[in-house]
This record gives sequence, C-alpha cells and structure tokens, in this order.
Amino acid sequence: GESVGLHLPTLSVQEGDNSIINCAYSNSASDYFIWYKQESGKGPQFIIDIRSNMDKRQGQRVTVLLNKTVKHLSLQIAATQPGDSAVYFCAEKSAGNTGKLIFGQGTTLQVKP
Amino acid sequence: KAGVTQTPRYLIKTRGQQVTLSCSPISGHRSVSWYQQTPGQGLQFLFEYFSETQRNKGNFPGRFSGRQFSNSRSEMNVSTLELGDSALYLCASSLVPGTNTEAFFGQGTRLTVV
Repeated sequence: GESVGLHLPTLSVQEGDNSIINCAYSNSASDYFIWYKQESGKGPQFIIDIRSNMDKRQGQRVTVLLNKTVKHLSLQIAATQPGDSAVYFCAEKSAGNTGKLIFGQGTTLQVKP
Repeated sequence: KAGVTQTPRYLIKTRGQQVTLSCSPISGHRSVSWYQQTPGQGLQFLFEYFSETQRNKGNFPGRFSGRQFSNSRSEMNVSTLELGDSALYLCASSLVPGTNTEAFFGQGTRLTVV
C-alpha cells in the first residue's frame, strides 16, 4: 500500500550545525508534500511545502528538496537551534480532489547545546 | 485569526463507552480532516469532510464516524471504546480539498480509554 517512510528515527546535532532529515515516499502519483514539526503536547505545525513540479523550495532557515526520480524528500534546517528540537514528519498528498495526507513515521531531532 | 480549535483537550473514558470530539476549523476553511496519532502507528488518516459530506475515509472500523455541520465545524464519534483507541486525535483544516494548500492542525484531543 501507500507509505511514506523516514530513514532515521532520531537525529542528534550540535547547535549551530545544519540538519538534514530524509523521507522516502512510494506513491509516484503524489503531487504535494509537506513537512510538519511537532513539539511535545502540541499538534503538528506546518513548516514548508513543495509541489511536484518543483525540486527545491526555500523558507526561513529551511529548505525542502524533492527528487521525484528516486521518490525522496528532504528537509534541511540551517544553523539548528535548541528550539528546533521536535519530531519532524513528512506527508504526501495524492493527486486528485482530496486533502488526505499520508504521513511518515517521524524523525526526532535533538539539538545539543 | 484563530487557529483550529479542538475540544476537549483531554478525555478519559471507560471501555465500552462512546465519545464525541469536536473541531472548529480556521475561519473560511471548509475542509476538515481527522487523524489518529499513536506511538506505534504514527499519524493515520481517519476521514475528510467538505461541505458536510464525507469525501474520504481511512481504514478504520465502523465504530469511528464523523460529521460536518453547515458552519464547517466537525465532530467525530467513537462508539464501544476499546483500550486500543487511546490516542491523540488531531483535526486539520484547509481551504478546500485537492488544491494543494496548507493543512493546519489543532492541538488535538488526548483520549485515554481505561
């Protein structure tokens, strides 16, 4: 069935370093991808999205890269800060008239001071 | 403007009981989706509503149901609760489905079944 998987369950980085969180998706029909950040006790918070007709999108300190050839998505966080510590989820949406999102299992990002 | 509001935030129920959770989407958003989040299964899609109609349903038993009202507010109901229904239930709202726009989540309702 459809699935979105994350390569690393936990990522530990030093404050100030760059972080890269990876995600593999299996549905080549997906046309929209989102990265969410979830802090303890809170709902997922939108970080950045990308449509399938793009391969890169930049936000404030974050960049999402999409490689449709190998069905791979990554989130890059520049100059990682302690406040970036959270669980990060990638999600995909299939093309068509639906808002259904399929989520990966999540990667825990730990930022060491 | 106000975000997605879910009530209640926490709930404790006994096996066999039923429960109703509420979600008020962002003003102007007409699409509401529900997700169940557990440590073992992650975030799983329950159902999606738009214009008071269920447009999509996830792979959950019939004990899980929902509805959407004319003001776009949505409720989900779980009947005959089981211990395995303990989870964080999340609601997400977006403008309309299928337009590749952001989906915003509420804080969730933490349901514990004892």
